[in-house]
Amino acid sequence: SAVISQKPSRDICQRGTSLTIQCQVDSQVTMMFWYRQQPGQSLTLIATANQGSEATYESGFVIDKFPISRPNLTFSTLTVSNMSPEDSSIYLCSVEVVGHGEQFFGPGTRLTVL
Amino acid sequence: DAKTTQPNSMESNEEEPVHLPCNHSTISGTDYIHWYRQLPSQGPEYVIHGLTSNVNNRMASLAIAEDRKSSTLILHRATLRDAAVYYCILGGATNKLIFGTGTLLAVQP
Repeated sequence: SAVISQKPSRDICQRGTSLTIQCQVDSQVTMMFWYRQQPGQSLTLIATANQGSEATYESGFVIDKFPISRPNLTFSTLTVSNMSPEDSSIYLCSVEVVGHGEQFFGPGTRLTVL
Repeated sequence: DAKTTQPNSMESNEEEPVHLPCNHSTISGTDYIHWYRQLPSQGPEYVIHGLTSNVNNRMASLAIAEDRKSSTLILHRATLRDAAVYYCILGGATNKLIFGTGTLLAVQP
């Protein structure tokens, strides 16, 4: 298995500002992903974080709004830029560990934008 | 990405078996069938996955139809802790998980 931590666990931010969310995993992983879960909704995949190269974004998500970094095999960041109240969501990272068929999810970051 | 269809909600009684259905009629030959669940206020957790044969683990069993167009997650004895949203997801070569709306399982004592 893998133990995943996210920082911060929650934050309240003002409109127009940016927040960077960190995801740290305790073992080397092949794939890292970022998801958004809006209130009362299912999870939506934002992007695949690629080590050492640009992330691969899903339809409807762009790098200018959600820049992602992955400098090594165990760490990634997601920035939510120029925030609006519509960005209020839980943001989760997930990882796929080498040799496992499943993904492990972090506890999530609960973001509220005023 | 191939789509899955699940009932919005189901109810079960504690200590009884639960059968959660999933239809995936457009599944491709290389798609794995994954099940995850999300307990209240937590991130999703892996339950089970399979390709063609039925699978068992300590949490559940996965029964896959012979034509692979449907599957059933079986919880053998539901507990209150099993109350969650259960997601049936098809996973291909990209390893991406595309979540649908899932089934909200309520377990009555």
